[in-house]
Amino acid sequence: EVQLVESGGGLVQPGESLRLSCAASGFTFSTYWMSWVRQTPGKGLEWVANINRDGSAKDHVDSVKGRFTISRDNAKNSLYLQMSSLSVDDTAVYYCAREDSVNSCDYWGQGTLVTVSS
Amino acid sequence: VVVTQSPLSLPVTLGQSASMSCRSSQSLVHSDGNTYLNWFQQRPGQSPRRLIYEVSHRDSGVPDRFSGSGSGTDFTLKISRVEAEDVGIYYCMQGTHWPRTFGQGTKVEIK
Repeated sequence: EVQLVESGGGLVQPGESLRLSCAASGFTFSTYWMSWVRQTPGKGLEWVANINRDGSAKDHVDSVKGRFTISRDNAKNSLYLQMSSLSVDDTAVYYCAREDSVNSCDYWGQGTLVTVSS
Repeated sequence: VVVTQSPLSLPVTLGQSASMSCRSSQSLVHSDGNTYLNWFQQRPGQSPRRLIYEVSHRDSGVPDRFSGSGSGTDFTLKISRVEAEDVGIYYCMQGTHWPRTFGQGTKVEIK
């Protein structure tokens, strides 16, 4: 059974950093692209970043470029999102998701809540 | 690419059908000839679950009450014989253009 379990969310102040993790199991992690997607009550669902199988190619949405970095460790079956210079607009539930071959995500984690507030 | 869904709220009677629309600001036909339009269901308190990919292909385990159709910039998700478990928010998402973008969702509730 495919499982994606996010961790690392919490309450931080504006300008601070946070690192999210996603532990994957139930499939061969190194053979899939992976993504981070976030959800806010106000802006809905927003694709944040994705990364290819070996981590050599990655892309980030403009709103987080230069502040967030997606990475992975295939030996640990783990996906990461390093977030810095956080603002209140980054408050959201962050989902880890597996990408399939049709430019989409077929499995999602349960999400981890990031709250940025002073 | 802006993806616009309608209606935002859809009250339905159990056993009746429901239909919702998704429109994109650009054609979703990819240079490879495929159309990467997906539908997701998000039940209350749960993560999104994909129902449909490439316009009309149902994911494994998705009841055949759910069907997707459309082309170019206009797409539809239909739920026939709505059941109580279908309550939730339905999102369309385009995967043709980067960044991938979602519609704002259609909330399905029982009358």
